[in-house]
Amino acid sequence: ILNVEQSPQSLHVQEGDSTNFTCSFPSSNFYALHWYRWETAKSPEALFVMTLNGDEKKKGRISATLNTKEGYSYLYIKGSQPEDSATYLCAPQSGNMLTFGGGTRLMVKP
Amino acid sequence: DSGVTQTPKHLITATGQRVTLRCSPRSGDLSVYWYQQSLDQGLQFLIQYYNGEERAKGNILERFSAQQFPDLHSELNLSSLELGDSALYFCASSAYGQPNTGELFFGEGSRLTVL
Repeated sequence: ILNVEQSPQSLHVQEGDSTNFTCSFPSSNFYALHWYRWETAKSPEALFVMTLNGDEKKKGRISATLNTKEGYSYLYIKGSQPEDSATYLCAPQSGNMLTFGGGTRLMVKP
Repeated sequence: DSGVTQTPKHLITATGQRVTLRCSPRSGDLSVYWYQQSLDQGLQFLIQYYNGEERAKGNILERFSAQQFPDLHSELNLSSLELGDSALYFCASSAYGQPNTGELFFGEGSRLTVL
């Protein structure tokens, strides 16, 4: 089982602020890095699947970067909106197994 | 709506009992994954089936078992239940055998409470 750390655990920002959070994971035996968004009372929803070192993915105001050599990924949200409030989970993949981190809980105040 | 259906949504039972959780994957998806989320813990991978066969296994207890049927729905059986088995159990499906080849779609979960 991989040791996956996400920081910060929680984050409060004002509407319009840009923010970023970190996912750290062991760099050995790496297949891919997954990011999920989990709103309260809903199910986790996939944001990105990243496989290549240096990869960068973007979906609207959300983007992510990946460094497989040092074992980290950053998730960025530009101009946060209240609807971005959710828990953001990262999950490195080893074999067919995803190991989820504890998540970063983002709360965006209007 | 992810297209993944889990039943029941809520289940309350007593210690020592056995329950079955059911998952219907999205139409056309061949893989089913089961995850457990206990209080104050992240999502823990239990087991994966692909087209009816076990593909990967996580820290699934011996008291737990799963299977995937020819119509691709899956069941997770939990027996000799203990208080610590109280958790939210998620099923996820994907089209492929490996998660990195396609995203996982999660159901809304089955909340199990063991009293």
